[in-house]
Amino acid sequence: GAVVSQHPSWVICKSGTSVKIECRSLDFQATTMFWYRQFPKQSLMLMATSNEGSKATYEQGVEKDKFLINHASLTLSTLTVTSAHPEDSSFYICSAREDRNQPQHFGDGTRLSIL
Amino acid sequence: QQPVQSPQAVILREGEDAVINCSSSKALYSVHWYRQKHGEAPVFLMILLKGGEQKGHDKISASFNEKKQQSSLYLTASQLSYSGTYFCGTELYGGSQGNLIFGKGTKLSVKP
Repeated sequence: GAVVSQHPSWVICKSGTSVKIECRSLDFQATTMFWYRQFPKQSLMLMATSNEGSKATYEQGVEKDKFLINHASLTLSTLTVTSAHPEDSSFYICSAREDRNQPQHFGDGTRLSIL
Repeated sequence: QQPVQSPQAVILREGEDAVINCSSSKALYSVHWYRQKHGEAPVFLMILLKGGEQKGHDKISASFNEKKQQSSLYLTASQLSYSGTYFCGTELYGGSQGNLIFGKGTKLSVKP
């Protein structure tokens, strides 16, 4: 149980393109979903937290207009990187959890490469 | 507020034991432990919620001290599959929406 599916696994695209990443909880309802960014050999950095039906809460330094998050249902959240540039290249990982006393379960991550 | 993990790296022979520590300057609501292999997403190992709690499965266990500021992960009779980077994720009391703050990680390498 507790499976989180993230798509796509990798994306390569040109600078200026917008990229959408999907995160789905397959066998549980996720009241909260989280989006992280991870650079090579570094820790997970939280970008934003989203609850179903409400606006996402962004961490300090994360541009809301660049990283659009939508949490339309209890099983789906999307992250759209708008007008992506090479510095946005990274490993993006989502996680989802049922409630506060449950663990966060991670998707497999999306490796984004902007040329 | 990032928790401090130690050691940063450890190399073991198969069958040896290891301990990874995670410390916070403030009392924690919970501690979560994850293992991440290169190029993959983190995999959940354990969550600790109560002070003085100890739990485990197979040969991996963890403890949470009474003050809820320190947690340790114990790996006994290590196997090759234990290799990876271990992260503790900590949640503060009153933290925003129960966000986890992750330590910098401990890289564990198990050699044959």
